Amino acid sequence: KNEVEQSPQNLTAQEGEFITINCSYSVGISALHWLQQHPGGGIVSLFMLSSGKKKHGRLIATINIQEKHSSLHITASHPRDSAVYICAVRSNYQLIWGAGTKLIIKP
Amino acid sequence: DAGVTQSPTHLIKTRGQQVTLRCSPKSGHDTVSWYQQALGQGPQFIFQYYEEEERQRGNFPDRFSGHQYPNYSSELNVNALLLGDSALYLCASSLGLAGFYEQYFGPGTRLTVT
Repeated sequence: KNEVEQSPQNLTAQEGEFITINCSYSVGISALHWLQQHPGGGIVSLFMLSSGKKKHGRLIATINIQEKHSSLHITASHPRDSAVYICAVRSNYQLIWGAGTKLIIKP
Repeated sequence: DAGVTQSPTHLIKTRGQQVTLRCSPKSGHDTVSWYQQALGQGPQFIFQYYEEEERQRGNFPDRFSGHQYPNYSSELNVNALLLGDSALYLCASSLGLAGFYEQYFGPGTRLTVT
């Protein structure tokens, strides 16, 4: 079993829909990252969380340390949000990555 | 303020050859981590350099080696290339060991082994 599991693996939605991507982990962590990767490879860090909730524009990230679970929400989704969203956890000076969720937003 | 830069952006090598990838960290950062991302998969941690020493290493063979220079820039070397080494290689920099500080990622070097 992978130490970081994301769901769903693939998600296609219509423009304007509310999007939720989930991440569960099985190791002890010091922080959790949500990252965005566009075709071509460059990775952008969206959030770093160790507790609670963070919001940036239309993006919201939450984490429940007791349940070892985090969610990334996108409100009023737009085609430019189409990308791979990756959850990664910090454990013992390493980043352990989920496999990513490929999101496609159709106009 | 330049972010993390990597060179080259693309590279094609033949099986058995050796390759060197380069990374310049974000200004002020002293720690560099390297990741391998195969097509369709999440990045896998290769190793991390801090104070010119390898501090942590993932599950990669000795064919993968690295170096960090006094200016904090880093190199990833891969010897005896295999077809399976074809991947996007990502470099990330941080201030201090990556467990506690946010990492900034470079655009990656796409290596194709034929």
